[in-house]
Amino acid sequence: AQSVTQLDSQVPVFEEAPVELRCNYSSSVSVYLFWYVQYPNQGLQLLLKYLSGSTLVESINGFEAEFNKSQTSFHLRKPSVHISDTAEYFCAVTLSGGYNKLIFGAGTRLAVHP
Amino acid sequence: EAGVAQSPRYKIIEKRQSVAFWCNPISGHATLYWYQQILGQGPKLLIQFQNNGVVDDSQLPKDRFSAERLKGVDSTLKIQPAKLEDSAVYLCASSPGGNSPLHFGNGTRLTVT
Repeated sequence: AQSVTQLDSQVPVFEEAPVELRCNYSSSVSVYLFWYVQYPNQGLQLLLKYLSGSTLVESINGFEAEFNKSQTSFHLRKPSVHISDTAEYFCAVTLSGGYNKLIFGAGTRLAVHP
Repeated sequence: EAGVAQSPRYKIIEKRQSVAFWCNPISGHATLYWYQQILGQGPKLLIQFQNNGVVDDSQLPKDRFSAERLKGVDSTLKIQPAKLEDSAVYLCASSPGGNSPLHFGNGTRLTVT
């Protein structure tokens, strides 16, 4: 069975500083990996995904994540955060071949301070 | 395109009462999911529909939870009777299927007192 571990429940950071949100997964088969963002009182929005190909994937708002198969990690990074990035971030995994049965981590609360 | 619609946004009930949530997926999306998100945890899949058939309900507490998608479009999730530990946000998501991503609604926040 697949599982996801997000190593930090909360990450405080100052505006314009770099940030890394850590995610490790466990699976005996090939998986797809995702990062979702949840703003207060809203549903989850897909931030970026890794299906195959280049191990470095990017979002339109400056986030990137790198798939590392040997370390079973999919950490999310941004070189310079904004106040508007304050949100809950969820790492998720599903079996390769479909988006069925997304399994989520517990989430990381990113708090960006001025 | 219109997103996934859920109602109500908030619901407060006493334990042992019943409650129902409604979800209208994006038009044309064959796959519909209900997730339970307890405070401080990631969403957990309760049930997955493909059109009007159930694909996976292995984590649905069937003694108190039920869900239906009779015409393969909108869906309802019911809890009867509710327990304190059912307090959570219930998220509905839909997808065209295959390799397409899930689209989530804003959720229904349930508080059981």
